[in-house]
Formats: sequence, C-alpha cells, structure tokens
Amino acid sequence: GAGVSQSPRYKVAKRGQDVALRCDPISGHVSLFWYQQALGQGPEFLTYFQNEAQLDKSGLPSDRFFAERPEGSVSTLKIQRTQQEDSAVYLCASSLGGQGPEAFFGQGTRLTVV
Amino acid sequence: AQSVTQPDIHITVSEGASLELRCNYSYGATPYLFWYVQSPGQGLQLLLKYFSGDTLVQGIKGFEAEFKRSQSSFNLRKPSVHWSDAAEYFCAVGASDDYKLSFGAGTTVTVRA
Repeated sequence: GAGVSQSPRYKVAKRGQDVALRCDPISGHVSLFWYQQALGQGPEFLTYFQNEAQLDKSGLPSDRFFAERPEGSVSTLKIQRTQQEDSAVYLCASSLGGQGPEAFFGQGTRLTVV
Repeated sequence: AQSVTQPDIHITVSEGASLELRCNYSYGATPYLFWYVQSPGQGLQLLLKYFSGDTLVQGIKGFEAEFKRSQSSFNLRKPSVHWSDAAEYFCAVGASDDYKLSFGAGTTVTVRA
C-alpha cells in the first residue's frame, strides 16, 4: 500500500479485556517497529521485527504484551488483560531495512482502557 | 544510551512570524537526527533528517534544521509560519548501526491569527 496502515484507529477496552492491534506495513518493507506513545509524551520503542523474526522485544512493558509477524508482512500487537496504564497511542512503523533508523509511521491506534 | 531533550513544552507564535524549536541530544557517535510533526489524531510525518554532510538540511513544508555538533543541537526553523503548522513536533535521534529511535517529549506549537 501507499503507507503504513493501522487498525482499528480507536479502541476502547474494559479493564481485563484482551485487545489486538493490526499493522499493515508498506509493501516490501523488511523492518517493522511498534512504539507506544503515552499522553503528552514522545513515542517509546516497544519491539522490532526483521521479516518474521522478532529481533528485539526489550521495550515491551510486561509479559501481557505480545507481538507477532508470522509471514513477514502484517503484524499484530496483542495486549492481554488490559490495564488503565496501557492507555496510549500505539504506533507502527516500517522501513526497507539497512538504512539506519529511518522509518515511516502509521496513524496509530488510540487505546483507551476504562 | 541516546536521549533527546526538547526544552520547550509549548510555543505560541503569530501567523507569519518565524519559528524555532530547540532540540538537544545526547549520543556518543555521530547521530542520525530527525524531526517529525504530528497533527491531532494523526501519526508522525517526517519533516527532515540529518545523516551526514551539509549541516543545514531542508525539509518539507518550508522547514529547515541545523546540526551543531559543538552544541549537541538540531534546532528546527521556519521563516514564516502558517496556521496549518499548528501541531506537535518531535525531535528524534538514532544511530547508523541501530534501528531504534529515541524521541523527545515534543513541543506543541500554537499559531495565533
């Protein structure tokens, strides 16, 4: 596609619910990233994929967070048993890879846990 | 570890006036530097980037930024702002051999008529 596409754009979850956030990267992009942006803050790194391999998940805040990219294209970020502190905008980014840290960002999914 | 400081949380500027947003970074080697803009409800749009070479870089929407190694700064400027420039601006730093970006907390720009 023309850009990074994320769905849903908005998600309201009750505390304790599981949620799944989807990211469609730019076609042909090898690298895929997830960032978390809390209200009033800059994005913070969560995890990084190169094709289907998750090479870095050091930024995932707890074991309730899980990300996958099984065929090296679409990625899903799953949050189990959501808590209020999970409320944030989740941004997905992709890049060709091998070009340093430059990446193209999607519009994000705003998650609100009530 | 790399880090980014944006000293100004909020800036208000009149339409047609000049704008400068400050960014200071901490990084051991030569950094890759970026400025992104985020309009309400939108993702991050890349304004410009610096990897090497000329320290004054031009970006989209009439923005430019200057890399000053001695001051560890990468300030963003625009000579004449438009009402559509009202948004949040993020400075970010990365490395050539890394994939992560470290972002500042952002500066919110309000444009008054």
